[in-house]
Amino acid sequence: NAGVMQNPRHLVRRRGQEARLRCSPMKGHSHVYWYRQLPEEGLKFMVYLQKENIIDESGMPKERFSAEFPKEGPSILRIQQVVRGDSAAYFCASSPPSLARETQYFGPGTRLLVL
Amino acid sequence: KNEVEQSPQNLTAQEGEFITINCSYSVGISALHWLQQHPGGGIVSLFMLSSGKKKHGRLIATINIQEKHSSLHITASHPRDSAVYICAVSLNTGNQFYFGTGTSLTVIP
Repeated sequence: NAGVMQNPRHLVRRRGQEARLRCSPMKGHSHVYWYRQLPEEGLKFMVYLQKENIIDESGMPKERFSAEFPKEGPSILRIQQVVRGDSAAYFCASSPPSLARETQYFGPGTRLLVL
Repeated sequence: KNEVEQSPQNLTAQEGEFITINCSYSVGISALHWLQQHPGGGIVSLFMLSSGKKKHGRLIATINIQEKHSSLHITASHPRDSAVYICAVSLNTGNQFYFGTGTSLTVIP
């Protein structure tokens, strides 16, 4: 059973471009979480999704950021018109429905650098 | 104020030393997690605790629910233990994790 997959592992964008980060949860996991780790800071929750539904997006910036988890395919975190402050490591985690509150498996992260 | 506080922020030890990293939290939790992150690497879950103590190899994690405190111990530390150790909690309500800022451990040969 492959672990949580994220791609790309590294992404470089110029200011104003769009960044798309992908997360494939572990097999059988229907819950996906996105976290952001800014340089020299701890991880912060962004959004929690189940298949086709956003459950909690209280950690998402109000503008330019969106997330989806379609019925088929990976979860996507989309950042429009990136700015230098978006440079960070973005981690995805997944969990099975029965353990959603207590157990999350993390992906390797996507390191985004905005020039 | 962060829901989860860790100390120390940075720790340097000689190989073989006994290491303790502390975590305090201020909210009601369903579980506490210790995670390990190597430089430029992903995040690995070491322990999930809701009470008592757990041991895995040279790693020991304890939690005191009444005092809202947990410790991670590493016995006979080794340079390959060098990493950032992160304390995280999952709450009684909601599904997200809340994280401490991490403890950067360097073990010198």
